[in-house]
Parts: sequence; structure tokens; C-alpha cells
Amino acid sequence: AQSVTQLDSQVPVFEEAPVELRCNYSSSVSVYLFWYVQYPNQGLQLLLKYLSGSTLVKGINGFEAEFNKSQTSFHLRKPSVHISDTAEYFCAVRPNAGGTSYGKLTFGQGTILTVHP
Amino acid sequence: DTGVSQDPRHKITKRGQNVTFRCDPISEHNRLYWYRQTLGQGPEFLTYFQNEAQLEKSRLLSDRFSAERPKGSFSTLEIQRTEQGDSAMYLCASSLGVGSRETQYFGPGTRLLVL
Repeated sequence: AQSVTQLDSQVPVFEEAPVELRCNYSSSVSVYLFWYVQYPNQGLQLLLKYLSGSTLVKGINGFEAEFNKSQTSFHLRKPSVHISDTAEYFCAVRPNAGGTSYGKLTFGQGTILTVHP
Repeated sequence: DTGVSQDPRHKITKRGQNVTFRCDPISEHNRLYWYRQTLGQGPEFLTYFQNEAQLEKSRLLSDRFSAERPKGSFSTLEIQRTEQGDSAMYLCASSLGVGSRETQYFGPGTRLLVL
């Protein structure tokens, strides 16, 4: 089984400031890791994913995340945020082995990022 | 490719009524997932189809819930005898490929309010 903990439920930040959204996970098997963004009244949009290889992955809209296996973390960062980044962000994991749970995503509780002018 | 669509976008119903939601996946995507998202929480897995076969169901999916995917195209999620605790956003996602090549694309969701 997998579990995901997003350490901050809300993160307020000023425009053009850097931001980090924290995510820790627990799993008995190897996993793929994902960050999704959800704008109000919309579905989830994939920001980035870690599958293998380099632990630093870059995504859309200037976001990046770093996979740390020893700390079982996958924190999301952006060096300079914009008003339009205001949204809810979800960290998720998925087993990378076979079986019927193959594609099922397990999500964290979400972090609401609010960017103030 | 118009993305994953869901209908209706919003549904208000009275406790005890039955409701049905529809999901149209991206064309040719063979996998389809349903998730439920309650206020302040992340989405939780409900069930998943590969083509027309329902391969996994969560314990969250009580006997009042049933999902189908006839012909491996669109899917429906029916809730019978709705309860106030069923109020949530119901999300559908579709994907193609396996392993590292699988990426789930989400629809806009159906928001259900049970009065």
C-alpha cells in the first residue's frame, strides 16, 4: 500500500517569490511520482513526473521537483511565482510494478498555493 | 483530441434518489479510472477499467455504486439511494500505455450535492 503526505495545507506567498511545496510518501514497492495542479472548477493537470534517472525533473509552467529516495520526498519548487499559479497542488504516487493496482494513483491531501500581488 | 469529458458538470439531488454520471475518455485510451474527491482532500481511487473489463474496485465503492464501460468506450458511474456522504467531486481519467508510458488525463469532474 502507498500513502502520501503533503506537509502544508496552505502556502501563501507574494508574487515573484520562490516557493516550495513539500511531499513525503510511503510505499512498500517502488513508485513513480507525480505532481498535479487543479485550478478552481477544473480537473487535474499533470505538472511533472518522476519515472527514473535524474532526480531533478522539470515540468510545465517553470515548476521542478526533486526526488529524494532516502528521505522518501518529492518536493515541488518554483523560483518565481505568478498570480496565475494560484491553485491547489496534489502530489501522487503509483506503483511501478505489475498487478491490478498498476495504474492506480494515490494522492496527498493537497496544498493550496495562494499568490498575493 | 478534445480531452476527457464528463457530464453533467454539476448535479444536485435529494437523498434517496439515483444518479448517473458519464465519462467520455480520450479516443483510443484503453484504461479508464474513476476517483472521488471530497472537500479538502485529494482524489481517492474508486475503480478502473481496461477496455470493457472492470479490473479493480476500491472498498470505497459500496454496493450502491456501480460502474460500467460497455464496448470499452465511455463509462457510467451510477449511485443508487444517494446519501449525504456521497456529496463529492467525481473525477474520471483515461490513459493509454503501460508502466512508465502511462499518463492519466483527467476530466473536469462532476460535482454532486446530495440534499
